Amino acid sequence: DGGITQSPKYLFRKEGQNVTLSCEQNLNHDAMYWYRQDPGQGLRLIYYSQIVNDFQKGDIAEGYSVSREKKESFPLTVTSAQKNPTAFYLCASSTLFRLAGLGNEQFFGPGTRLTVL
Amino acid sequence: QKEVEQDPGPLSVPEGAIVSLNCTYSNSAFQYFMWYRQYSRKGPELLMYTYSSGNKEDGRFTAQVDKSSKYISLFIRDSQPSDSATYLCAMKGSGNQFYFGTGTSLTVIP
Repeated sequence: DGGITQSPKYLFRKEGQNVTLSCEQNLNHDAMYWYRQDPGQGLRLIYYSQIVNDFQKGDIAEGYSVSREKKESFPLTVTSAQKNPTAFYLCASSTLFRLAGLGNEQFFGPGTRLTVL
Repeated sequence: QKEVEQDPGPLSVPEGAIVSLNCTYSNSAFQYFMWYRQYSRKGPELLMYTYSSGNKEDGRFTAQVDKSSKYISLFIRDSQPSDSATYLCAMKGSGNQFYFGTGTSLTVIP
């Protein structure tokens, strides 16, 4: 049963603490993404990766870090430098661009809700 | 100007109504269009994917793309209370980044 899993579902962070959100996919997708979702602001791109050991900053990368050591995994670390981390975090994946049309859609995981205590 | 504009609503309709959700975009390079349904505190679920102008139908859902007007729509026929959710439009061009609307909140009243 192919899909994207994220863990944990809920996460609580104390001030000054780093936390890591897990994302795993078994869709054999090359590209993986992290988004942050806040009420009324839609999805904002944090980081994305198109290949193992390579990733690019999105619109709001400050205070976050990622790694891509395996094709299936793209963990996100929320560092203490991120001053307002309370949000819903979504991981997604897709194939790389295909000229033929089919297969250019993106799929999402169930999300992790992070709350700062 | 945002690349994708979507009316946030909220939209409230009676059960059985036809619902029309819309997005406009400014980048003529966008070629691939998606609609997602997102229930509260859940990840977005892909509903429809199209890559050409015209209509695509799947059950009660019809996606419509008008590239000349840079306008996409999602129609829901015979709406049900279970359709109550936030609907996100998304699109991409030949790169690997996706661009999203802010979402429209829909409530279907029994």
